[in-house]
Amino acid sequence: KNQVEQSPQSLIILEGKNCTLQCNYTVSPFSNLRWYKQDTGRGPVSLTIMTFSENTKSNGRYTATLDADTKQSSLHITASQLSDSASYICVVITGGGNKLTFGTGTQLKVEL
Amino acid sequence: NAGVTQTPKFQVLKTGQSMTLQCAQDMNHEYMSWYRQDPGMGLRLIHYSVGAGITDQGEVPNGYNVSRSTTEDFPLRLLSAAPSQTSVYFCASSYSEGAGTEAFFGQGTRLTVV
Repeated sequence: KNQVEQSPQSLIILEGKNCTLQCNYTVSPFSNLRWYKQDTGRGPVSLTIMTFSENTKSNGRYTATLDADTKQSSLHITASQLSDSASYICVVITGGGNKLTFGTGTQLKVEL
Repeated sequence: NAGVTQTPKFQVLKTGQSMTLQCAQDMNHEYMSWYRQDPGMGLRLIHYSVGAGITDQGEVPNGYNVSRSTTEDFPLRLLSAAPSQTSVYFCASSYSEGAGTEAFFGQGTRLTVV
């Protein structure tokens, strides 16, 4: 069964610290992978997209990595801010692109 | 820019009632879809549309109907609400259904069926 698993389920860090969120997937055939940020009470917003040939991509303080061989991705957040508090969802897109498999998300809380 | 607009934001229904969740986008996107988000589960696809007049079922279509009479609008109808349909519903749109195309999501409709 095609699955996307994320860890940890939840995470609390102090403002200014770094953190790394993990995503493991069994979805195939792989097309690309996106990380979304979902603020409480809002819809998900795309942070970054990773294609099969890409290993690393950055978007400001967010850096995503992809290892297509081990089917793992990570999202690293540098110098966290209170506004980073949200759910981060890993989404794997298969085939022609009309099949999205969503992870359950990592709930991140950044505290003072 | 409005993007994807969903109404209402909150709704409480009694079992057996029907209602329509509205979704509109102003980006001229061809591809639109409806998802539900439940605790401990990833978003699941209910129905989708690749253009006006064309709809298809997703992963969890039972109990829901859709239509796509215009490019802009993609309403989701609950025929006879059941407590199992208590969820947060998201509408999304994208330029196409291609793999590299970003999906833009609405703010969601939180539905409670009692």
